[in-house]
Amino acid sequence: AQTVTQSQPEMSVQEAETVTLSCTYDTSESDYYLFWYKQPPSRQMILVIRQEAYKQQNATENRFSVNFQKAAKSFSLKISDSQLGDAAMYFCAYRSVRDMRFGAGTRLTVKP
Amino acid sequence: EAGVVQSPRYKIIEKKQPVAFWCNPISGHNTLYWYLQNLGQGPELLIRYENEEAVDDSQLPKDRFSAERLKGVDSTLKIQPAELGDSAVYLCASSLGRSSGELFFGEGSRLTVL
Repeated sequence: AQTVTQSQPEMSVQEAETVTLSCTYDTSESDYYLFWYKQPPSRQMILVIRQEAYKQQNATENRFSVNFQKAAKSFSLKISDSQLGDAAMYFCAYRSVRDMRFGAGTRLTVKP
Repeated sequence: EAGVVQSPRYKIIEKKQPVAFWCNPISGHNTLYWYLQNLGQGPELLIRYENEEAVDDSQLPKDRFSAERLKGVDSTLKIQPAELGDSAVYLCASSLGRSSGELFFGEGSRLTVL
């Protein structure tokens, strides 16, 4: 089974500043997708951003962007101009035909 | 368009009692997932359906857990009998295909076993 590793259990950022959450994964497949999901406290998980492995260009969604390094199997999430509403658990996820796996999550705190 | 609907949102039972969770995926989504999420951890796959077929149930504790997806639409996850360690959030998700696109999640069913 593929593994997804988030090495930062907790991160903190000052409001309006930038933070980067790390994710690495292990796979022998060439065709897959990577996602970052956000889960606010006691609320449902929602998609933040997705990246197709065959695309070299890094995905961007407003204040959220990724740094996808396919050879290094790294997929970090950058949040710019952090807002109080960004506080949540963030999960990195890997998806292929055979598998769908999540990392253990990073709890992001945003300080006013 | 309605999202993934799960019920009940919360359930408190005593150990050894049975419990069932229901999920209705987004219309047209062929793939349905049940995940277990412990507090402060990532979701762990219990079972994945492609239409009505369970294609990955390797992580489902089959001695006490069962699931069904009759007619390939809504699904039920059952635990019988429940144990203290089953206390967790049970998440249902659906997607259009089995290899692409994101998963859409329901709000989850939080189970507390006393």
